[in-house]
Amino acid sequence: DQQVKQNSPSLSVQEGRISILNCDYTNSMFDYFLWYKKYPAEGPTFLISISSIKDKNEDGRFTVFLNKSAKHLSLHIVPSQPGDSAVYFCAASAGGGANNLFFGTGTRLTVIP
Amino acid sequence: DVKVTQSSRYLVKRTGEKVFLECVQDMDHENMFWYRQDPGLGLRLIYFSYDVKMKEKGDIPEGYSVSREKKERFSLILESASTNQTSMYLCASSWAVPGEQYFGPGTRLTVT
Repeated sequence: DQQVKQNSPSLSVQEGRISILNCDYTNSMFDYFLWYKKYPAEGPTFLISISSIKDKNEDGRFTVFLNKSAKHLSLHIVPSQPGDSAVYFCAASAGGGANNLFFGTGTRLTVIP
Repeated sequence: DVKVTQSSRYLVKRTGEKVFLECVQDMDHENMFWYRQDPGLGLRLIYFSYDVKMKEKGDIPEGYSVSREKKERFSLILESASTNQTSMYLCASSWAVPGEQYFGPGTRLTVT
């Protein structure tokens, strides 16, 4: 059963506008959340993370919001750029020594110039 | 800079062959992971290891085994490759605290 869900397989946004990628989770033990970006034929690269003690984390154009009561997080990219076109994976961890990550199915973002 | 390397970018094998996928990391990470990525299914964990000679099953270990004889190296073994193991295989490593995992470039395996 998928514990981390990304219900939108794809998203298209005009360059300069905001991209909002969504992620829902079911396991209330998750306490650390990450977003990864993946280009074709490359491994995922870390983008931004958030701990469950926060509700927002910002890094340049990227902001992650966490709503624990709704078990929902979102990634905002402002302004969107063509180079942001990639597949974005949401991931969650319940801690523990091996910090296993549970990944969503990914959302393909296309930023249209 | 963290570097995770995988032995092959592309591999074509026949059904029934034994397949070895090698992964090496250079950051002295305790944890190492093997995932497979399939369209519509995201990344699914096959096996992970939190120490040398230690291994734990992930979500989809059937048909796979692993070996970790040295801290920097984690091997994935397909004992008898089958067509349903055609996939992108990704190796990752991390420190032993909650945080990001660092991924290799992936191996695209095709089993015919």
